[in-house]
Order: sequence, then structure tokens, then C-alpha cells
Amino acid sequence: DAGITQSPRYKITETGRQVTLMCHQTWSHSYMFWYRQDLGHGLRLIYYSAAADITDKGEVPDGYVVSRSKTENFPLTLESATRSQTSVYFCASSGLQATETQYFGPGTRLLVL
Amino acid sequence: GQNIDQPTEMTATEGAIVQINCTYQTSGFNGLFWYQQHAGEAPTFLSYNVLDGLEEKGRFSSFLSRSKGYSYLLLKELQMKDSASYLCAVIPSDSGYALNFGKGTSLLVTP
Repeated sequence: DAGITQSPRYKITETGRQVTLMCHQTWSHSYMFWYRQDLGHGLRLIYYSAAADITDKGEVPDGYVVSRSKTENFPLTLESATRSQTSVYFCASSGLQATETQYFGPGTRLLVL
Repeated sequence: GQNIDQPTEMTATEGAIVQINCTYQTSGFNGLFWYQQHAGEAPTFLSYNVLDGLEEKGRFSSFLSRSKGYSYLLLKELQMKDSASYLCAVIPSDSGYALNFGKGTSLLVTP
């Protein structure tokens, strides 16, 4: 029972490079989310998806792109990484109802040099 | 906009009771969650409130007052392993089910 996984767990990249963070869930959850967590800001929503091929912006979407061609996968791409995107990125998923618990992946720690 | 406030840090003694408060001002309300997050780990679900009142789950209880925009998480019989950050999160009615998080309360349990 894998649940929700993220890869890579750690990533170091350079300014201007493209980076893709992967998220995979095995529950067939409809909703998937990407958050970033920074000191002093807490968790902030980047993008979310209600179903395959349906995505929407969150609070801090600039510089990020998402896609969801399959229900179980929700990759997050940094098109041209900047130092301000150094953060811990969490993927989460939940079922159809608004009141359902969101389950978080283990996180990806990204350092942009 | 959305505003969720909780204390930054709290300290309590092993075996004691601690109450972590959360106040919110959001556009609509579809429920309030509490998550626990140990250092270097992912948040894990503790409780959910959508109606006013107290929800009890073992050593942890969560209270909600929608009219006051207020919630608290009550931790009883504190253990050292309860040292963690506690995150209050609200689902506004226009958020598409996404959570709006407070900045979290870092709880240190001392012997």
C-alpha cells in the first residue's frame, strides 16, 4: 500500500534550469494538490486538480506548470528555476467531498543555486 | 482575502494539558482541519470540524465556534513525542477544496 509518493525526495539545481517534481497516488483520489512550505509562510497552495485534465491555480502559481493526464499522477514543473523557488514541496490528495481529509506525500526538498 | 492566525510557539510540560488556538477570517467556510507535522516530515491529519462544538479523539480534542471564527486543539497527557508543529487549516467555500493554512504553532514538550 504505497499511498502517495513523491520523487525525487531531494533535488539541487541551478537557476534557469527546468525541474519536474513527481507525485503519484494509489488511492484513485479525485483531488490532488501542490503546496510549498517556507519558514515564515507556512504551507501555500501552488496548483490543484479536481480530476484528470482539470487544473486550477492556487495562491502562488507563478513560475510553475502542472498537468494531469492520469488520475494517479500530478507532476509539477518549474519552467526556469529561481532561487526564490528553493523550498519544500508537498503533494497531497483527497477524495470527492470537500470535507475529506487531504493526505500528504513525504515532500521534495528543492535547492536552487 | 484569507487570514488564519495561531501562536508561533508554545512550551508545555510532559503530562500536562495544552490548548493551541486558531482564529480565522475566510470567504465562506467548509470546515477546519488540524494537522500535526514533525520536523522534516509531512503533515498528518489530526481532526476535522465543520459544526460548532467539541470533537474528541483520544488524547486530542478539537473545538470550533463558527460565529467567532475560532478553533482550538486540546492535547491532554502530553508526551515528548507530541513536540511538533500543529497546523490549523480552513477550507473556504470558494477554494475548490484546497486548504488555507495558518503558519503553524511549534509545540515543545519538556520533561
